[in-house]
Amino acid sequence: DAGVIQSPRHEVTEMGQEVTLRCKPISGHNSLFWYRQTMMRGLELLIYFNNNVPIDDSGMPEDRFSAKMPNASFSTLKIQPSEPRDSAVYFCASSLWQGQMREQYFGPGTRLTVT
Amino acid sequence: SQQGEEDPQALSIQEGENATMNCSYKTSINNLQWYRQNSGRGLVHLILIRSNEREKHSGRLRVTLDTSKKSSSLLITASRAADTASYFCATPYSGGGADGLTFGKGTHLIIQP
Repeated sequence: DAGVIQSPRHEVTEMGQEVTLRCKPISGHNSLFWYRQTMMRGLELLIYFNNNVPIDDSGMPEDRFSAKMPNASFSTLKIQPSEPRDSAVYFCASSLWQGQMREQYFGPGTRLTVT
Repeated sequence: SQQGEEDPQALSIQEGENATMNCSYKTSINNLQWYRQNSGRGLVHLILIRSNEREKHSGRLRVTLDTSKKSSSLLITASRAADTASYFCATPYSGGGADGLTFGKGTHLIIQP
């Protein structure tokens, strides 16, 4: 299995631009998670989906952030407009939910730099 | 949301020694997980321990869970240079079903050759 795939791996953009991060979860997994990691705030859960339905988006910092999961094999996290404080590493993770919590498999992350 | 706090923040030991990291959390949980992160990489799952378990082993790793003290420990025995990484404990975000995770700030472990 290829694992969780994220693209792009690195993104440098200017303040005010739209940024779209992409994630392909492990085939067969039915839960998908977006996290953000910074030195100051550590790892933060942004939003998660179960069977393509958003379950909890209380971690999304502002309305500038939105996430979609149109099908079981693809999810996007969009920031519009981007700001320098959005600079971070964004991780996508997937898991198989079968009535009990199980381990999550993380992608390599997208390092976002907003100048 | 709940949050685990790891202790110590940093740990440097000689290769071959044992490394112990601790995690404390605030409210009741039904499971706790440990993850490893190598510099610049994604997180890798190590162990999941459920609230009805007190101890769990995986290779050179031993995890304990004390729900009365709301704490967990991760022991790495016979450490190797490749164990150099940051280690995080994680607890369920909301305590629901298919739940996200809340992470502590991590313990940065350095194994000196």
